[in-house]
Amino acid sequence: AAGVIQSPRHLIKEKRETATLKCYPIPRHDTVYWYQQGPGQDPQFLISFYEKMQSDKGSIPDRFSAQQFSDYHSELNMSSLELGDSALYFCASSLGEGQGGYTFGSGTRLTVV
Amino acid sequence: QKEVEQDPGPLSVPEGAIVSLNCTYSNSAFQYFMWYRQYSRKGPELLMYTYSSGNKEDGRFTAQVDKSSKYISLFIRDSQPSDSATYLCAMSPVSGTYKYIFGTGTRLKVLA
Repeated sequence: AAGVIQSPRHLIKEKRETATLKCYPIPRHDTVYWYQQGPGQDPQFLISFYEKMQSDKGSIPDRFSAQQFSDYHSELNMSSLELGDSALYFCASSLGEGQGGYTFGSGTRLTVV
Repeated sequence: QKEVEQDPGPLSVPEGAIVSLNCTYSNSAFQYFMWYRQYSRKGPELLMYTYSSGNKEDGRFTAQVDKSSKYISLFIRDSQPSDSATYLCAMSPVSGTYKYIFGTGTRLKVLA
């Protein structure tokens, strides 16, 4: 069965650089969620999109932005990267409001050096 | 106090044991409860999903919700070494677009 695809799997950036992470949801899923999980920390909800509109916003820094495109894939853009941005970023997709739970991608591991 | 509390473990059990994983929460608005399994360096995968109180069984896994005590459990029967992973509970209130609040995860080690 198709899963949530994230790219790239790993990314190394220097401080103050920009990174773009991509998330491709399960076919027919219309909602995408982004999470950030730092080493040894709870996953923190960043932002979500439903039908290409931002539907919820969590602890996303102002340096980050995201959008959902017409094919429902989503991109998380991160600028002026800081060392503390090093984390596993994973996205999840669901149908509608997510009553059936999420399906998560494998994540993108971002390392800022 | 965190909204969701989960013992980080690690919890080590012998193969074949019954495992009990638990979370407590403080927000009485939570209605949707999930358990995720996360292998090292991987994103979490959904194991069990329950709405409101009660039990739900799926193969070797049983999820239990006690809303009066604000306590949820995941039981794993006949545990296998392949069950060794971190288990995250997550929950969400009823209304709006669901933003799940996760526990920290319990690391489980099943010893062969």
